[in-house]
Amino acid sequence: GAGVSQSPSNKVTEKGKDVELRCDPISGHTALYWYRQSLGQGLEFLIYFQGNSAPDKSGLPSDRFSAERTGGSVSTLTIQRTQQEDSAVYLCASTRDLYGYTFGSGTRLTVV
Amino acid sequence: AQSVTQLGSHVSVSEGALVLLRCNYSSSVPPYLFWYVQYPNQGLQLLLKYTSAATLVKGINGFEAEFKKSETSFHLTKPSAHMSDAAEYFCAVIPGGNDYKLSFGAGTTVTVRA
Repeated sequence: GAGVSQSPSNKVTEKGKDVELRCDPISGHTALYWYRQSLGQGLEFLIYFQGNSAPDKSGLPSDRFSAERTGGSVSTLTIQRTQQEDSAVYLCASTRDLYGYTFGSGTRLTVV
Repeated sequence: AQSVTQLGSHVSVSEGALVLLRCNYSSSVPPYLFWYVQYPNQGLQLLLKYTSAATLVKGINGFEAEFKKSETSFHLTKPSAHMSDAAEYFCAVIPGGNDYKLSFGAGTTVTVRA
């Protein structure tokens, strides 16, 4: 597609449930990032995939968070046993080089 | 380590007035610098980027930014604000070298008064 696609756009889940957030990057983009944007706060780095290299997971806030990228394309961010503090907008971005990051519209996660 | 500081979490300007958003970075090597804009309930859109070419960078929607190494700054300006410029603006940096992580400032919300 022409842009980075994220699904679902909105997700409401009950506390304690697991959720999966999906990101379809731009075709040919080798790098993919996940960020979290909480209400009133900036963008918090979560995880970074670059080609076939091991992902940089240094931003994941707890072991309840994990992400994978299959076939160097689609990525899934999984949050297990969701907590209310996980409520945020989760943004995905992809790029072919250092200069042209394209962001998706995000998934708004609400944990009730 | 890289960090980005945006001075002022909120800026209010009159329509037609100068928009100035401040960004300072800390780096031991020349970084790559970016400004992004986020309109309500939307993702981030790239306004402009500095990649060690010209120090004055022109972006979309009439915005420009100047890289000043001596001041470690990358301030964003627009000569004449328009109502459609109301949004949140983020300064971001990539250290380069082996570190490709894009790090963001806390953001500045711009409101435009008629």
